[in-house]
Amino acid sequence: QLVLTQSPSASASLGASVKLTCTLSSGHSSYAIAWHQQQPEKGPRYLMKLNSDGSHSKGDGIPDRFAGSSSGAERYLTISSLQSEDEGDYYCQTWGRGIQVFGGGTKLTVL
Amino acid sequence: EVQLVESGGGLVQPGGSLRLTCTASGFTLSSYDMHWVRQTTGKGLEWVSVIGIAGDTYYPDSVKGRFTISRENAKNSLYLQMNSLRADDTAVYYCARVASGSYQDYWGQGTLVTVSS
Repeated sequence: QLVLTQSPSASASLGASVKLTCTLSSGHSSYAIAWHQQQPEKGPRYLMKLNSDGSHSKGDGIPDRFAGSSSGAERYLTISSLQSEDEGDYYCQTWGRGIQVFGGGTKLTVL
Repeated sequence: EVQLVESGGGLVQPGGSLRLTCTASGFTLSSYDMHWVRQTTGKGLEWVSVIGIAGDTYYPDSVKGRFTISRENAKNSLYLQMNSLRADDTAVYYCARVASGSYQDYWGQGTLVTVSS
């Protein structure tokens, strides 16, 4: 079964960096994912598509502070030079034939 | 500029029906797969339906047989017909454009559906 697992919460200080993790279920380590950001009281926003080899393609207007990387079944989103507007929920998402799967989301707090 | 605007949400009684509309601008809706995704209060995202470029549709078991996704190319609009609504269908419903038949690259702002007596 295709499942994405995310830690429920993360925190980091203003100006620092944070690395969020999304883990693919067993047997699905070759899958690409997408990262989406949801700021408080807003709809989601597409950040990037991240392939198993770590290559990624970002959405329109996504700053260079957002970067993706991969290792095995793990997919990472690293946000550097954290700003207050980075606070919110981050979801990973993947797909199969006729299905879409979201991770449970990570709530990022900027201290 | 790509924009997606949902409408049609509201309060409906259990067992009732509602039709959501997503009006697209800045691109031709018929050239893309399109999704509906919902989010319950304080919870995560749940995919609800997809319509492909060829008109093929898919649904998760939680809504199969009750929800129907469709589109009207002349109006550049996407629809979600929701029947036999239950309390656990209460959520904000988003429409989203799909890139390369896989992930959502643009989202709307959402419309709230509340199922309650």
